[in-house]
Amino acid sequence: DGGITQSPKYLFRKEGQNVTLSCEQNLNHDAMYWYRQDPGQGLRLIYYSQIVNDFQKGDIAEGYSVSREKKESFPLTVTSAQKNPTAFYLCASSIFQGITNTGELFFGEGSRLTVL
Amino acid sequence: GESVGLHLPTLSVQEGDNSIINCAYSNSASDYFIWYKQESGKGPQFIIDIRSNMDKRQGQRVTVLLNKTVKHLSLQIAATQPGDSAVYFCAEIDVSGTSYGKLTFGQGTILTVHP
Repeated sequence: DGGITQSPKYLFRKEGQNVTLSCEQNLNHDAMYWYRQDPGQGLRLIYYSQIVNDFQKGDIAEGYSVSREKKESFPLTVTSAQKNPTAFYLCASSIFQGITNTGELFFGEGSRLTVL
Repeated sequence: GESVGLHLPTLSVQEGDNSIINCAYSNSASDYFIWYKQESGKGPQFIIDIRSNMDKRQGQRVTVLLNKTVKHLSLQIAATQPGDSAVYFCAEIDVSGTSYGKLTFGQGTILTVHP
């Protein structure tokens, strides 16, 4: 079945360590996104990519980095520069329809990162 | 910047009742809105969407109403069931400039359905 796969589902990290969250989609979607969700909060956009080898900062990009070397993959690295990395991270994808992207977002099941 | 917000953070209803979840948005340029349902520990799932050239759209047991005059949309769930218990988010599409394609999410409303 087509979908978005995030891994790992749970991840623990010591302070000062970089970690990379995986996101793979087999929906042939052009656009991919990373959101952060804190308890009782909405989703905040970290980075997004509308095409391979291109990505844009979202609202809270500081302390994060991404790459988009393949259409189906959009890994997120949480660096040691991120001051408060403990959160639930959600990856999503959509069909990019040009200037007006009205494509529905399809979400993965999320990765919960805890910094010890 | 522009934002989308919700009036009610929590909503408790009895099974069988109708539920109404509200959302206010501030970006008048937004022309597409989506409601998502998120169950605990899972990613959000699409419920229903509406374009700004529509006032109402109906799905299975759900209806979304859009009032562009006051920048307000609502999600109505008919005959609410315990399985409807979740957090509901509204989201708008930013279609301006180079930020097109990026959703802005509201805070969310926790819906609890009591048997």
